Amino acid sequence: EVQLLESGGGLVQPGGSLRLSCAASGFTLGSDAMSWVRQAPGKGLEWVSAIGSTGDNTYYADSGKGRFTISRDNSKHTLYLQMNSLRAEDTAVYYCAKGWWGGFDSWGQGTLVTVSS
Amino acid sequence: QSALTQPASVSGSPGQSITISCTGTSSDVGGYNYVSWYQQHPGKAPKLMIYGVNKRPSGVSYRFSGSKSGNTASLTISGLRAEDEADYYCSSYTSSSTLWVFGGGTKLTVL
Repeated sequence: EVQLLESGGGLVQPGGSLRLSCAASGFTLGSDAMSWVRQAPGKGLEWVSAIGSTGDNTYYADSGKGRFTISRDNSKHTLYLQMNSLRAEDTAVYYCAKGWWGGFDSWGQGTLVTVSS
Repeated sequence: QSALTQPASVSGSPGQSITISCTGTSSDVGGYNYVSWYQQHPGKAPKLMIYGVNKRPSGVSYRFSGSKSGNTASLTISGLRAEDEADYYCSSYTSSSTLWVFGGGTKLTVL
């Protein structure tokens, strides 16, 4: 059974940084692309970033370009999202999700990031 | 404002069928057969219901089906059940710098 478990969320001040992690089990992390998708409180889903199976290719939504960095360590079965220069509008539940052309077929339970002073 | 347009809400009675639309442009929905649909119950993670416009992942009920015409994709749920009450989101690959876009979501109420 595929399981994705996010961690690293919390309360951070505007301008601060956080690193989210997503521990994968039940499948070989290096076999598929992975993404981060966020959901602001009471709002819809927003794709944030993605990384190819080998980690060589990374992609970002305009909202996170220059501030967010996605990476993966397949040997540790873990996906990461480094978030810098955080803003109030980054407040959201952040989900990691597996998949690409076939849709995001597995999701974690999410980790809440709150940016506030 | 979301890149893909969905109705804010739809409703139906048990046993009925409903359809949720998802309208984009030729740069996303109309240009690629990479439309997916997700179901999200309150406080839960999204669940993939349809991918590739009309393909069902293993374990998803046959009552869920997808289609596309031009720049509009649709999700149809037949034989509505109480447990279908949830938020539904469409998503599409896009040629813009934001590779994946979502609709604003549709709240399905089973009367």
